[in-house]
Amino acid sequence: SAVISQKPSRDICQRGTSLTIQCQVDSQVTMMFWYRQQPGQSLTLIATANQGSEATYESGFVIDKFPISRPNLTFSTLTVSNMSPEDSSIYLCSVDSRTRADTQYFGPGTRLTVL
Amino acid sequence: GQQLNQSPQSMFIQEGEDVSMNCTSSSIFNTWLWYKQDPGEGPVLLIALYKAGELTSNGRLTAQFGITRKDSFLNISASIPSDVGIYFCAGLLYTGGFKTIFGAGTRLFVKA
Repeated sequence: SAVISQKPSRDICQRGTSLTIQCQVDSQVTMMFWYRQQPGQSLTLIATANQGSEATYESGFVIDKFPISRPNLTFSTLTVSNMSPEDSSIYLCSVDSRTRADTQYFGPGTRLTVL
Repeated sequence: GQQLNQSPQSMFIQEGEDVSMNCTSSSIFNTWLWYKQDPGEGPVLLIALYKAGELTSNGRLTAQFGITRKDSFLNISASIPSDVGIYFCAGLLYTGGFKTIFGAGTRLFVKA
């Protein structure tokens, strides 16, 4: 399985500010995904990070609020813009397996608290 | 849209007991994945199931891909305190690319 790291692991931010979360994988992967996990909830897909093109967003998530970059096959960033307390969540990076597109691995997550 | 019903929502068991949880759907899935999430961590893949009827074990864990492709279960035998956590099922559906649907999770509490 891929080794996935995320930075920062946690942060406390003021409302109205933005935070960029980084996801680094130890090997090239085809698909990278960003998920949100609100307190006590399951995982919700925000978007698929596409290398060399714009991310594909799920219903209810927009690029202005969650801009995503994917400059290469091992790295992606998610920015949470103009934050409000409702954005307090765990943000998780996920990648598909090198051998199977139908198997996903997750990073350790970034725990965000917005005051 | 597709939905997964994961049950039970939570379980309180004694150390040494066996545990069973399951996910059901009205949709057919190509793949079932089972994850465990510890507090403050990301989900860790426990078992992946790729064929209807497949039964796979990983130590004390056993999972099966339902024959109808609409359900899956996870069993944990002889539970220990470190089994505490949230277990998520995920069904993957191929629609040109894989779409992943997560269950709501089963919170497992183990009393020593």
